[in-house]
Amino acid sequence: GIQVEQSPPDLILQEGANSTLRCNFSDSVNNLQWFHQNPWGQLINLFYIPSGTKQNGRLSATTVATERYSLLYISSSQTTDSGVYFCAVGNAGGTSYGKLTFGQGTILTVHP
Amino acid sequence: EAGVAQSPRYKIIEKRQSVAFWCNPISGHATLYWYQQILGQGPKLLIQFQNNGVVDDSQLPKDRFSAERLKGVDSTLKIQPAKLEDSAVYLCASSLGVTSGFHEQYFGPGTRLTVT
Repeated sequence: GIQVEQSPPDLILQEGANSTLRCNFSDSVNNLQWFHQNPWGQLINLFYIPSGTKQNGRLSATTVATERYSLLYISSSQTTDSGVYFCAVGNAGGTSYGKLTFGQGTILTVHP
Repeated sequence: EAGVAQSPRYKIIEKRQSVAFWCNPISGHATLYWYQQILGQGPKLLIQFQNNGVVDDSQLPKDRFSAERLKGVDSTLKIQPAKLEDSAVYLCASSLGVTSGFHEQYFGPGTRLTVT
């Protein structure tokens, strides 16, 4: 199956700092999603980005499908950005029928 | 638009007891997924339905777990009998469907199960 690696595993920032999270995957995909899991366990959709670049406020993401990686950028971080960030990939239409394979996550802590 | 609904939010049971979780997907979504998330790990797929048919249950421990999606809408996931290692968050997700060409999945709030 598809392997997903996220880095770094842990990240500690001061409020206002910028950061980049990376996701590497081992096979071609037609679904790549970034999630933020809040302290209550809810997975919040950040981006659906199987390829290209998207921006949403202070967050942006880029996926280079041909090189099998994606980046999530967080600018001017806030304490509410704290939590676990997951990258998940899938290949709907292949033998996996579209299930998402998740990375291990990046634990982000933003201090005031 | 209402999101994916799940209940209960929390459940504590003793080992060897049974438990059931319920999920209502986003209206119009043909594909429904159940994932298990153990503390400190990413979610892992247990079972996937396309309408009311199972398309992937390869990771479902079928000796104790069962799931159904009657009428292609709501779904229930059951564990009987529960083991200590089943303590986890059970997440339900839905998407428009494999054939739609648009594969974004949306997750419910999850059910946190503790087996003592």
